[in-house]
Amino acid sequence: GNSVTQMEGPVTLSEEAFLTINCTYTATGYPSLFWYVQYPGEGLQLLLKATKADDKGSNKGFEATYRKETTSFHLEKGSVQVSDSAVYFCALSGANTGNQFYFGTGTSLTVIP
Amino acid sequence: GAGVSQTPSNKVTEKGKYVELRCDPISGHTALYWYRQSLGQGPEFLIYFQGTGAADDSGLPNDRFFAVRPEGSVSTLKIQRTERGDSAVYLCASSLRPGSQETQYFGPGTRLLVL
Repeated sequence: GNSVTQMEGPVTLSEEAFLTINCTYTATGYPSLFWYVQYPGEGLQLLLKATKADDKGSNKGFEATYRKETTSFHLEKGSVQVSDSAVYFCALSGANTGNQFYFGTGTSLTVIP
Repeated sequence: GAGVSQTPSNKVTEKGKYVELRCDPISGHTALYWYRQSLGQGPEFLIYFQGTGAADDSGLPNDRFFAVRPEGSVSTLKIQRTERGDSAVYLCASSLRPGSQETQYFGPGTRLLVL
């Protein structure tokens, strides 16, 4: 079946620290991979995506590389800011999943000054 | 509007009552999705519309749940005989066209509480 496994939180980092949030997936076929972010009191927003193996998605200093050999799509940022405090969701959508997204459980990040 | 809108933002009802949740997608988006998000979990798929028809309703938990999109734009999720376990945030999303590579744009959600 199709599923996404995310690193459990919550994660607390100091400002300017390096961030990694792990995401691995199980899917049939060749899925597209997404990271969504949910800031406090707001709805889900697309952060970045990659649609084929070895693609790198990037936005707002965040990056994630689609690794087919390890079935992973880890989210990284070199220097986090207080404003990055949010819940991050990894998701997949693939040719064999219809058009629905499969989401991980989310990872809560708090960045302290 | 600029984004996906959902009404109401909050709904409190009593067990056994009927509720309707509305979604207004981004103008021109042909695909519309409903998800349900329980506390501490990621969104779970309920149903997907392409145009007016439900192309995939495999995520609807039982026959108390039903959704329509009669004119290919606004959609309504209907829940009959609500149960306490239906309490969750119901999310609507839309995409310009169907396809696994398409970004889905999410609304702010309707928080449903069944007492």
